[in-house]
Amino acid sequence: NAGVTQTPKFQVLKTGQSMTLQCAQDMNHEYMSWYRQDPGMGLRLIHYSVGAGITDQGEVPNGYNVSRSTTEDFPLRLLSAAPSQTSVYFCASRNQDRGPGELFFGEGSRLTVL
Amino acid sequence: AQSVTQLGSHVSVSEGALVLLRCNYSSSVPPYLFWYVQYPNQGLQLLLKYTSAATLVKGINGFEAEFKKSETSFHLTKPSAHMSDAAEYFCAVKESGGSYIPTFGRGTSLIVHP
Repeated sequence: NAGVTQTPKFQVLKTGQSMTLQCAQDMNHEYMSWYRQDPGMGLRLIHYSVGAGITDQGEVPNGYNVSRSTTEDFPLRLLSAAPSQTSVYFCASRNQDRGPGELFFGEGSRLTVL
Repeated sequence: AQSVTQLGSHVSVSEGALVLLRCNYSSSVPPYLFWYVQYPNQGLQLLLKYTSAATLVKGINGFEAEFKKSETSFHLTKPSAHMSDAAEYFCAVKESGGSYIPTFGRGTSLIVHP
């Protein structure tokens, strides 16, 4: 059972560099999302998607870009990395309904921007 | 609108002692409530959830939580702490029939002393 797979697990970037965090799920979930986790701040929603071709902004979208071309994949792009984007990033997915279905999380991607 | 407050960013208990992690929520409609656990260097996983079927919900690893509508609370308890319970715990709320997006609390770090 792969579930939600994130790559890479660790990444170090220099300020101004770009990169893409990959997220793939094999549960046929329509809803996918990206969170960042910072000490004392809990989880903050960056972007989310309710299906292929549909994305929307969360609480902290600035500096990040997403696309959803397939049901399985939801990559997160940093176009010009800044030290403030040093964080642990989690991808999560769930069934597309308004019910009590829980989120399934990946293991996280730890990003350091120097 | 929905929100979650977790009282105490850190809770410290001795092994064998009662664990009590507090969560209060705000929701304009009947909520779905969740507790997630995050072990070190891992993603979040569901501990238990309230879906209106029963006010006392039992989860994995001996944890349980009670939904109290009059107090707008969903506190997490375990009668006897084990060293392996040391982790970060997140409470989350999602409005039934409402947004797809849950709102997370800031998390409580459980420290278990031998």
